[in-house]
Amino acid sequence: QKEVEQNSGPLSVPEGAIASLNCTYSDRVSQSFFWYRQYSGKSPELIMSIYSNGDKEDGRFTAQLNKASQYVSLLIRDSQPSDSATYLCAVNLNSGGYQKVTFGIGTKLQVIP
Amino acid sequence: NAGVTQTPKFQVLKTGQSMTLQCAQDMNHNSMYWYRQDPGMGLRLIYYSASEGTTDKGEVPNGYNVSRLNKREFSLRLESAAPSQTSVYFCASREGVFDTFGSGTRLTVV
Repeated sequence: QKEVEQNSGPLSVPEGAIASLNCTYSDRVSQSFFWYRQYSGKSPELIMSIYSNGDKEDGRFTAQLNKASQYVSLLIRDSQPSDSATYLCAVNLNSGGYQKVTFGIGTKLQVIP
Repeated sequence: NAGVTQTPKFQVLKTGQSMTLQCAQDMNHNSMYWYRQDPGMGLRLIYYSASEGTTDKGEVPNGYNVSRLNKREFSLRLESAAPSQTSVYFCASREGVFDTFGSGTRLTVV
């Protein structure tokens, strides 16, 4: 079982719709959870972080965490063509003083005008 | 504010050739990382340096060496390149648990 699992997609949504991106992780003691956005040919950039169960909102983005189900999601409201990118889920675990961060393979999102 | 600077951006090597990828950060971070990114595999950690003077192996270290030259600079060396090392390489520096990535090096080994 992979440590961090994501569906590679592509996930296609029409402009203005809600895009829902999902991620599961295997290690129950994982502590911090992140979403990075990566445009084609570019480097990943951090867009959201979440540490406790529930929702965290930032503009059109909402991160959701359910530690009991080992599940993290990212909702993008009012999706725009500029949101078309690959979204990487990342999970942090403090392993013997070292902050181990494991990335998923990423979900490719396509927002159709 | 440059953040994390990687050179070169593109490189083509012949099998058996060597090269060094350079990385420098100006954010005064202690930790620096080298990842490779391959289709369907995601970002995989090659080596990391938790602080100046220390380096440790990550998930896929075979065929690579690193040097933490000072707090700013962390280089990745391929001593004898193989086609399996064709990939996109990212350097990152870390504040707490947040990674800031360089722009990447697209390496092709023929």
